[in-house]
Amino acid sequence: KQEVTQIPAALSVPEGENLVLNCSFTDSAIYNLQWFRQDPGKGLTSLLLIQSSQREQTSGRLNASLDKSSGRSTLYIAASQPGDSATYLCAVYDYKLSFGAGTTVTVRA
Amino acid sequence: ETGVTQTPRHLVMGMTNKKSLKCEQHLGHNAMYWYKQSAKKPLELMFVYNFKEQTENNSVPSRFSPECPNSSHLFLHLHTLQPEDSALYLCASSQTGTSGDEETQYFGPGTRLLVL
Repeated sequence: KQEVTQIPAALSVPEGENLVLNCSFTDSAIYNLQWFRQDPGKGLTSLLLIQSSQREQTSGRLNASLDKSSGRSTLYIAASQPGDSATYLCAVYDYKLSFGAGTTVTVRA
Repeated sequence: ETGVTQTPRHLVMGMTNKKSLKCEQHLGHNAMYWYKQSAKKPLELMFVYNFKEQTENNSVPSRFSPECPNSSHLFLHLHTLQPEDSALYLCASSQTGTSGDEETQYFGPGTRLLVL
């Protein structure tokens, strides 16, 4: 059974600092890995999707890396802003999506 | 309407009530999903429908009954729920390929359910 772990569970940084969020998974036989953002009481918004053959994906200030062999992914958010405050979820897809519990980020103005 | 919509957004029900959650996707996808999100826990996959056929039931109690009348609509019928069923219920859709791979899932805003 796939297990996804996200560390840390919560993170608070001053505005402008770079964010590093970690995700690990137990079974490396995946099709892809995704990072989602969830605002309080809301649904999920897909941020980045990395196919299993890729090493990283970038979108604006966001960069996600994937090391399938070691079962790890990292999401980098450059120059954080208060609007980046949210919960970030990592999910891996083998035949279904398995989610981590998320990292709740607070960016202080 | 665009994307994935869910109604109602909030629901309070007693343990003897019967209610239904509705999800509609406007993306032309062929797969739809129900997830449960409890506080401080990872999202739990409940049901998967591909081309209107249920392909996954993740050991969900029978007090939750899904229905998929067509590829755009998904319902979750609720009856005799327990207080521990209180959670955010999220619907999602995606386009799955014949080899089993898929692109990203698109999520609705969720229904916040409180069982008294």
